[in-house]
Amino acid sequence: DTGVSQDPRHKITKRGQNVTFRCDPISEHNRLYWYRQTLGQGPEFLTYFQNEAQLEKSRLLSDRFSAERPKGSFSTLEIQRTEQGDSAMYLCASSLAGGFNYGYTFGSGTRLTVV
Amino acid sequence: ELKVEQNPLFLSMQEGKNYTIYCNYSTTSDRLYWYRQDPGKSLESLFVLLSNGAVKQEGRLMASLDTKARLSTLHITAAVHDLSATYFCAVDKNTDKLIFGTGTRLQVFP
Repeated sequence: DTGVSQDPRHKITKRGQNVTFRCDPISEHNRLYWYRQTLGQGPEFLTYFQNEAQLEKSRLLSDRFSAERPKGSFSTLEIQRTEQGDSAMYLCASSLAGGFNYGYTFGSGTRLTVV
Repeated sequence: ELKVEQNPLFLSMQEGKNYTIYCNYSTTSDRLYWYRQDPGKSLESLFVLLSNGAVKQEGRLMASLDTKARLSTLHITAAVHDLSATYFCAVDKNTDKLIFGTGTRLQVFP
């Protein structure tokens, strides 16, 4: 297992376009998280899944954002009608809930630039 | 709502010097994490602290946890340039998600 993979690494899009990011977690991890990080800030929680169930979504998250994890494996994060304020690094992480490994493993992130 | 604060936000220090980064959190938490982030890169796990009084050390970095004071420290001993990065603490509650601090940007100069 090579860790958490995210695709694409970089995405430049025009304002108003839709974008979709993919995250492949560590295979034995049942939890998957999405975070957003803007320049000079700490990562901000967006949402997380346990298996295929979306258990929590940040109250700050716009309705333009949606995430899925259809088979409990990979996940997608879609942003509709992008705005310049959506420009950020989108980080995915995975973990094993209930296990003795307490770590969260982060992917390399997808950097989104909205022009 | 769980909040995490770090200080200082920015730290410029000379090689060979010692310094401490502080992390305060607002409510009881299950675990305390320290991460390192290089510019444009993702997060690298440094330490996980599980209980009151926990202390972990790796090279020139040592982390400790005081759950009664809701305080964790990251101590840097004899800093070297390679330690230049941004350091985040994060806590989780009910093991459901990480809440991050504001980060401390460390710059080590000769």
